Amino acid sequence: RKEVEQDPGPFNVPEGATVAFNCTYSNSASQSFFWYRQDCRKEPKLLMSVYSSGNEDGRFTAQLNRASQYISLLIRDSKLSDSATYLCVVNSPLSSGNTGKLIFGQGTTLQVKP
Amino acid sequence: GAGVSQSPSNKVTEKGKDVELRCDPISGHTALYWYRQSLGQGLEFLIYFQGNSAPDKSGLPSDRFSAERTGGSVSTLTIQRTQQEDSAVYLCASSPTDGYSTLHFGNGTRLTVT
Repeated sequence: RKEVEQDPGPFNVPEGATVAFNCTYSNSASQSFFWYRQDCRKEPKLLMSVYSSGNEDGRFTAQLNRASQYISLLIRDSKLSDSATYLCVVNSPLSSGNTGKLIFGQGTTLQVKP
Repeated sequence: GAGVSQSPSNKVTEKGKDVELRCDPISGHTALYWYRQSLGQGLEFLIYFQGNSAPDKSGLPSDRFSAERTGGSVSTLTIQRTQQEDSAVYLCASSPTDGYSTLHFGNGTRLTVT
């Protein structure tokens, strides 16, 4: 089983739609969660961190469900410029207590159509 | 300020040759990662350096791959006896501290093995 799993999509939605992506992780000791955005042939860039209580940044809302070991990203009022691949990122802590490496999911592709 | 710098940006090599990829992280960043991304795929973790700790090499796909980080700064990823399946974009990222921090990516090195 992969440490971080995402539905690759693609998700094709019209402008103005609300779309949600989920991501599951296998290590119950993980403590750091992020969503990154990657545009075609570009490097990934941080979209937002995911906090235990959930957090919002404009049209974007991130949620964490520790019991079920998944995180979600909700995008409201989709814009054409939201078209990109959204990558879920989770840390893989070590038994020593070190926060460990950051593992990426394979990404979910979003295409927003006019 | 300067971001993460990778060189070369593109590298074409013949099967069986060795290649060396370079990463200059953001000054002062203690964590440095190497990832690999094949066309249409997610980021595959290769290796993680954190300060003076022993690197996490658990993602290196074979013993043909090795990486160093000299003086806690510049890193080189070396691939010996390249194979066609090594063709991918190799991304380097650095972060200020550890797995809780934002990753800052370089533009990547696109490696093509013919």
